[in-house]
Amino acid sequence: SSELTQDPAVSVALGQTVRITCQGDSLRSYYASWYQQKPGQAPVLVIYGKNNRPSGIPDRFSGSSSGNTASLTITGAQAEDEADYYCNSRDSSGNHHVVFGGGTKLTVL
Amino acid sequence: QVQLQESGPGLVKPSETLSLTCTVSGGSISSYYWSWIRQPPGKGLEWIGYIYYSGSTNYNPSLKSRVTISVDTSKNQFSLKLSSVTAADTAVYYCARDIRGIAARPYNWFDPWGQGTLVTVSS
Repeated sequence: SSELTQDPAVSVALGQTVRITCQGDSLRSYYASWYQQKPGQAPVLVIYGKNNRPSGIPDRFSGSSSGNTASLTITGAQAEDEADYYCNSRDSSGNHHVVFGGGTKLTVL
Repeated sequence: QVQLQESGPGLVKPSETLSLTCTVSGGSISSYYWSWIRQPPGKGLEWIGYIYYSGSTNYNPSLKSRVTISVDTSKNQFSLKLSSVTAADTAVYYCARDIRGIAARPYNWFDPWGQGTLVTVSS
């Protein structure tokens, strides 16, 4: 079982704002990172660290964290943002292991 | 920019050993961690383990007894071996650069990823 919990599915109207959350005790101590995965493709990093975007990721993607919850916010969702989103972090064991959330399927209506 | 490419058999028989190699191009394998991650069909991502370019490793406890990750810096490659496979090991296997350290708090992320390779366990 995953130590990071995500809602299985979220929907958003085109052009509106959506927040995808990731909960877990390890997030009190470690940064979360976020990945976008479209069907048949490898995951792509969209947010890392406190709130950083790799080159080429639109600025409508942002990250935040509070307590045991990390959030990925898409401000003005576009049709091409429809995808699965995964969070990851170190686990809470202190052994440098990694855990992923179960993933959230984002539908843009 | 750095690119990763997985290679290896797409079909493995039950009880045998799955072997995959990841070739790193566009940059050196040195000074980074490198991970294997897998995704069963229709399911989420599972971290398998990492290797540092120096050879130190760390594995997912749930797979530790069956996993070996090795590195060949002369070829800019790292490899995965998973023994005693069953149908539950059928998955797309990805290799990825594992960036980890400590800033205001410890961090870890994966970038870039290979395109992934489907490995089916079946007789």
